Amino acid sequence: AQKITQTQPGMFVQEKEAVTLDCTYDTSDPSYGLFWYKQPSSGEMIFLIYQGSYDQQNATEGRYSLNFQKARKSANLVISASQLGDSAMYFCAMRERSSASKIIFGSGTRLSIRP
Amino acid sequence: DARVTQTPRHKVTEMGQEVTMRCQPILGHNTVFWYRQTMMQGLELLAYFRNRAPLDDSGMPKDRFSAEMPDATLATLKIQPSEPRDSAVYFCASGLERQGTGELFFGEGSRLTVL
Repeated sequence: AQKITQTQPGMFVQEKEAVTLDCTYDTSDPSYGLFWYKQPSSGEMIFLIYQGSYDQQNATEGRYSLNFQKARKSANLVISASQLGDSAMYFCAMRERSSASKIIFGSGTRLSIRP
Repeated sequence: DARVTQTPRHKVTEMGQEVTMRCQPILGHNTVFWYRQTMMQGLELLAYFRNRAPLDDSGMPKDRFSAEMPDATLATLKIQPSEPRDSAVYFCASGLERQGTGELFFGEGSRLTVL
């Protein structure tokens, strides 16, 4: 069963606008972690942000924030004031303690920023 | 600047040939993951290790793929015999579990083309 779902294959956003990338997950484990990675056209995988299931506050890292809604099992990435350099693939990933902490990825969302 | 090193970066081979991909994790990291990325399947987890012990290789075709960690500085992924459907980018990633977020640091990937 798909455990990480990213329903937006592609998105176009105007430069300087905020953008939300959706991620929903499925787990019965109370202890888990959620990650977002960015993959630019160069192919490297860049870690952006992390949210632990027990964290009381939503994670933030610069222009990135994670809208964590535990009851809905969603962990959307919000990028504020988008820049041309934000154009990339974005992957949501999850680690479950019950699965010996393996990390699985969603199918990704391709974000394109329009000038 | 610590980084995960993968070799080769590019490999073109003919069907039936053996392919070995190597990964040097970041010194001190205790987890190593192998992922395969294709357009159709996204990022698939093939195998992963903790403290050099294999924990899960259920994502790997057992008849032709094998993954090992002969020592803490080397992880290998072998395909024998290779097939055209194995053409993909293979990523190695390492992490330090139980410290901070435990995020994965990715290598630049090995792009495999099987003719």
